[in-house]
Amino acid sequence: DAGVIQSPRHEVTEMGQEVTLRCKPISGHNSLFWYRQTMMRGLELLIYFNNNVPIDDSGMPEDRFSAKMPNASFSTLKIQPSEPRDSAVYFCASSPDRAIKSPLHFGNGTRLTVT
Amino acid sequence: DQQVKQNSPSLSVQEGRISILNCDYTNSMFDYFLWYKKYPAEGPTFLISISSIKDKNEDGRFTVFLNKSAKHLSLHIVPSQPGDSAVYFCAAGDYNNNDMRFGAGTRLTVKP
Repeated sequence: DAGVIQSPRHEVTEMGQEVTLRCKPISGHNSLFWYRQTMMRGLELLIYFNNNVPIDDSGMPEDRFSAKMPNASFSTLKIQPSEPRDSAVYFCASSPDRAIKSPLHFGNGTRLTVT
Repeated sequence: DQQVKQNSPSLSVQEGRISILNCDYTNSMFDYFLWYKKYPAEGPTFLISISSIKDKNEDGRFTVFLNKSAKHLSLHIVPSQPGDSAVYFCAAGDYNNNDMRFGAGTRLTVKP
């Protein structure tokens, strides 16, 4: 099993540009989560999907952020336009069941730098 | 709104001694708690968990204690090893919801 795969590993972009982060969850997992890690707030839950349907996006900081899961094997997190304060490590995680019952499997993250 | 708090950003202990990492939560609906460990340039990995019906869960050198009345849990590592040096995240969830809330993490350094 390849685990949760995120791409790119690193992204450097200029303020105002569109950024798209990608995630391939573990096959068979029906829950997918996007988290953001910052020094100040640690791991923040941005949004999670269950069976490809967004369940809770209350953690998405602004309308500039959007996430999609068009099928069970792919999800994207888009920031448009990006700002320097969006610089962080973004993690995708998946779970075979409800996260409360099955621990999350995290990808290695995408380090985003917005200049 | 930080529902899960780890107030110590860092902890340093000597190899062979006990490491105690602490975590507090504010949401009384949380009924399941986990600890994750994170090495640099990697995602967090699951370490140990406890449900609210228990007050202790042990797995080898790792023990998690839960004090529901104080809304506090702790992770004990004994004996600590240099390979335990990592960032430890506390996480909590509510069975009726599928989201997991994480603390800010504590960086543990175990000195040889």
